[in-house]
Amino acid sequence: DAGVIQSPRHEVTEMGQEVTLRCKPISGHNSLFWYRQTMMRGLELLIYFNNNVPIDDSGMPEDRFSAKMPNASFSTLKIQPSEPRDSAVYFCASILRTGTGNTIYFGEGSWLTVV
Amino acid sequence: QQQVKQSPQSLIVQKGGISIINCAYENTAFDYFPWYQQFPGKGPALLIAIRPDVSEKKEGRFTISFNKSAKQFSLHIMDSQPGDSATYFCAASTLTGRRALTFGSGTRLQVQP
Repeated sequence: DAGVIQSPRHEVTEMGQEVTLRCKPISGHNSLFWYRQTMMRGLELLIYFNNNVPIDDSGMPEDRFSAKMPNASFSTLKIQPSEPRDSAVYFCASILRTGTGNTIYFGEGSWLTVV
Repeated sequence: QQQVKQSPQSLIVQKGGISIINCAYENTAFDYFPWYQQFPGKGPALLIAIRPDVSEKKEGRFTISFNKSAKQFSLHIMDSQPGDSATYFCAASTLTGRRALTFGSGTRLQVQP
């Protein structure tokens, strides 16, 4: 099992540029989450999908943020235009929603720096 | 009502000592309480979890104590080792429906040799 795969692992971009973060969930998992981690705010849920459908995007900070899940094996989180305050680690996580399966598995994160 | 409060923010323990991290939640709909461990440069990974129908769960040196009436739960690490040095997050979610984890603010544990 390859786990949740995220890319890029590290991204440095200039303010105003578009940033796209990518995620491949664990095969067979049917829910996917995007979290953001900062020193000030800890781990925040941005959005989550069930069966590729966005269920709750109330954590998406602004219209500059958007997320898609075109199929069960791929999701993107896009920031356009990026700002220095978007600098954070962005985690993707997935889970198999069953009656007893509760473990949410995280990727290793995408470290974003906006200068 | 979604908040999970965690303390302390940081903790220094001597090797062989007991590390204790506490969390409190507000939303009574939560029925699943995991602890995640995160090493620098890595994503959080599930350490141990408990459901509210039991008051304690033990896995090796790690124990969760759960107090449903007080809406509190804690992680005890017995015989703490330098390899346990990491950031620990408590979390809460529901077993059905939303299932997204609400995390505490994290505790940075340092175990000194």
